[in-house]
Amino acid sequence: QKEVEQNSGPLSVPEGAIASLNCTYSDRGSQSFFWYRQYSGKSPELIMFIYSNGDKEDGRFTAQLNKASQYVSLLIRDSQPSDSATYLCATDTGTASKLTFGTGTRLQVTL
Amino acid sequence: DTGVSQDPRHKITKRGQNVTFRCDPISEHNRLYWYRQTLGQGPEFLTYFQNEAQLEKSRLLSDRFSAERPKGSFSTLEIQRTEQGDSAMYLCASSLGPAENEQFFGPGTRLTVL
Repeated sequence: QKEVEQNSGPLSVPEGAIASLNCTYSDRGSQSFFWYRQYSGKSPELIMFIYSNGDKEDGRFTAQLNKASQYVSLLIRDSQPSDSATYLCATDTGTASKLTFGTGTRLQVTL
Repeated sequence: DTGVSQDPRHKITKRGQNVTFRCDPISEHNRLYWYRQTLGQGPEFLTYFQNEAQLEKSRLLSDRFSAERPKGSFSTLEIQRTEQGDSAMYLCASSLGPAENEQFFGPGTRLTVL
């Protein structure tokens, strides 16, 4: 079992819709959770992080964390074509050290 | 530009050659990380520094790989006797350190070993 699992996609959503990206993790010691966006050929860009159970909203993005279910998700409201990218989920163990990444979910926002 | 910078952005080398990459972190960041990413995969951790101290190395990091961060500022990653399997994007990231682990990535160095 991979430590961080994501559906590779592609996830296709129409412009203006809500995109829902999911991630599960196996290490119960994971404390912090991060979502990165990566355009093809570019490096990852941090878009959200969440430390506590519940929801965290930042503009069109909402991160949701459920530690009991070992599940973290990212919602993108009013999806735009510019949101088309690979979204990487990552966790650490709260020791401010390495991040463990999933393989990413490719999102396609269609016109 | 106050973000993480990496040099070179692209490197093509022949098998068996040595290569060295440089990373300059965000100036106030104490922690510096190296990751490697291949096509279709997420970044994989290689090593990280707290100031000048190398605190953790991945088991993926063979003895052909060495990293240092003299004076706790920029860092270099050297690969000796490169192999075709070393072809990847090498990513550097930095963070403020213990209490804040939001890691910000540089543009990466794409290595191609022929």
